[in-house]
Amino acid sequence: NAGVTQTPKFQVLKTGQSMTLQCAQDMNHEYMSWYRQDPGMGLRLIHYSVGAGITDQGEVPNGYNVSRSTTEDFPLRLLSAAPSQTSVYFCASRPLGQNNEQFFGPGTRLTVL
Amino acid sequence: GDSVTQMEGPVTLSEEAFLTINCTYTATGYPSLFWYVQYPGEGLQLLLKATKADDKGSNKGFEATYRKETTSFHLEKGSVQVSDSAVYFCALTGPTTDSWGKLQFGAGTQVVVTP
Repeated sequence: NAGVTQTPKFQVLKTGQSMTLQCAQDMNHEYMSWYRQDPGMGLRLIHYSVGAGITDQGEVPNGYNVSRSTTEDFPLRLLSAAPSQTSVYFCASRPLGQNNEQFFGPGTRLTVL
Repeated sequence: GDSVTQMEGPVTLSEEAFLTINCTYTATGYPSLFWYVQYPGEGLQLLLKATKADDKGSNKGFEATYRKETTSFHLEKGSVQVSDSAVYFCALTGPTTDSWGKLQFGAGTQVVVTP
């Protein structure tokens, strides 16, 4: 199993550009989520999904869109990048149910100039 | 809302020293508590967890006990190694169904172990 994979590893954008961060998992997990990691703030939940066709907002959803057309994939879209979106982004997946472990991808480091 | 507070780092230790990282939380009901570790350049990995009061989670020589009376979940290791150098995150999930997958993280504590 590859686990949770993310592409790209690094990305530099200019303000106003759009892009999609890719996330895929091969563990057949129903639950997938996106977090951003900023210095001194830990990780904060952006969006999550409990299954194909179902998404919902987390703590910091503004400026980001998601969709879940398959169990395996959960892309994160930035429609118009802003410098405040400079961060490290982590995708995670887990089986449904209480107390199940979340598995994290290696992260995407995004810089918006 | 729920929140997690952990001690600021960096924490610098010599090899074989005792490590404690304090973590306290604010939450309604009975959350589940976790410690995640992030090695340089990698994603987060679950280190240990505790799901009810007085539970002790343990893994790789690390331990943490769920203390409901003090709302704490401090991480300890008796003898650290250089390979333990990482950032450690305390986190919780709420007791309701819609909160099971939503990790609430502390700010993270960087630990540096020197030979």
